[in-house]
Amino acid sequence: GESVGLHLPTLSVQEGDNSIINCAYSNSASDYFIWYKQESGKGPQFIIDIRSNMDKRQGQRVTVLLNKTVKHLSLQIAATQPGDSAVYFCAENNRHDMRFGAGTRLTVKP
Amino acid sequence: DADVTQTPRNRITKTGKRIMLECSQTKGHDRMYWYRQDPGLGLRLIYYSFDVKDINKGEISDGYSVSRQAQAKFSLSLESAIPNQTALYFCATSSGQVVDEQFFGPGTRLTVL
Repeated sequence: GESVGLHLPTLSVQEGDNSIINCAYSNSASDYFIWYKQESGKGPQFIIDIRSNMDKRQGQRVTVLLNKTVKHLSLQIAATQPGDSAVYFCAENNRHDMRFGAGTRLTVKP
Repeated sequence: DADVTQTPRNRITKTGKRIMLECSQTKGHDRMYWYRQDPGLGLRLIYYSFDVKDINKGEISDGYSVSRQAQAKFSLSLESAIPNQTALYFCATSSGQVVDEQFFGPGTRLTVL
């Protein structure tokens, strides 16, 4: 069936380095993708989104890349900081149906 | 004050009990959602509502029911709780605009013994 998944369940990076979190999706009809950040004890928080008619979108220290050919989404975090430690989810939206990946836990080492 | 609030934040109950989780929002959004989160499974949609008169089943609606009492309130009920409904439950809202970002509440941790 259709699913949203992640390549790596955990990622550990050194403070100041760049982080790349990957996500694979399988529903080619999905037209909208979102990255969420979830800190311990809190609900998910929107980071950045991208529509299927775009390949790249940049925010503050974050960039999302969309490769529709291989159905792959990535989140790049520049100059990773301790406050970036969290679980990151990708989500794909197909009309009314939002599906979330299991999440990647990002740990930033000082 | 938080835009999306959930009550209770934690609840321990016994098998067979009826439980209601409540969600309120001050964002003025029409759309509201209930998700459950289990370790390793991410968020799964239980029910969603696009306005007061609209209720739709999500991916895992069996064993749950909802009520949209007002634009700002969306409650989730477990008519007869069972242990595999132990999970973290999140309410979310969205505007339904072009950028349909969902805003999440802080979550309710439910344990069914």
